[in-house]
Amino acid sequence: EPEVTQTPSHQVTQMGQEVILRCVPISNHLYFYWYRQILGQKVEFLVSFYNNEISEKSEIFDDQFSVERPDGSNFTLKIRSTKLEDSAMYFCASSDGLNEKLFFGSGTQLSVL
Amino acid sequence: AQSVTQLGSHVSVSEGALVLLRCNYSSSVPPYLFWYVQYPNQGLQLLLKYTTGATLVKGINGFEAEFKKSETSFHLTKPSAHMSDAAEYFCAVMTARGGYNKLIFGAGTRLAVHP
Repeated sequence: EPEVTQTPSHQVTQMGQEVILRCVPISNHLYFYWYRQILGQKVEFLVSFYNNEISEKSEIFDDQFSVERPDGSNFTLKIRSTKLEDSAMYFCASSDGLNEKLFFGSGTQLSVL
Repeated sequence: AQSVTQLGSHVSVSEGALVLLRCNYSSSVPPYLFWYVQYPNQGLQLLLKYTTGATLVKGINGFEAEFKKSETSFHLTKPSAHMSDAAEYFCAVMTARGGYNKLIFGAGTRLAVHP
């Protein structure tokens, strides 16, 4: 089965630093998403992206966050100035828009020190 | 607004025993409901989904779930647990439909299976 690929699997950064989390969605998919899970809490929706623009974003997705599809294959999440509370597992997902199935990557564990 | 509640953050069963993971939802529109499983160091994998039609849905690995509108529930069951079922299970409700699909997840239930 096709897979969504995320890199790196673990990222450690200092508070205030910028991080970029990378995702390669399934090649024929058109809709892209980021979710995150803080340890012990729910998986939360961050943002959805279609046709090179954000479709919807949550309250969590403030000005420190941005997404980009720079080259037609990658889908990135940037956090401009990380905070301690950004420490979480970040999941990328994609869908073809034809049915309800989202394909998730294995996640990037972000630790902000 | 949609929401999902999973009762029990940890469930432990013996191998061969019935697995029952509970999920209740809240939705202002007819819900689309999902169960996802996460094995260690892997992504979220779709187990099964309910959209319309038959309220008892069967998924992969012998799991099934029944949509009960009167109880606003979508509990996940498996008649006989296997060691390989040990994982974290997430119930989710879908909000937007057609085109992009947004999921609202429950907090997850970690299933342990012991010999």
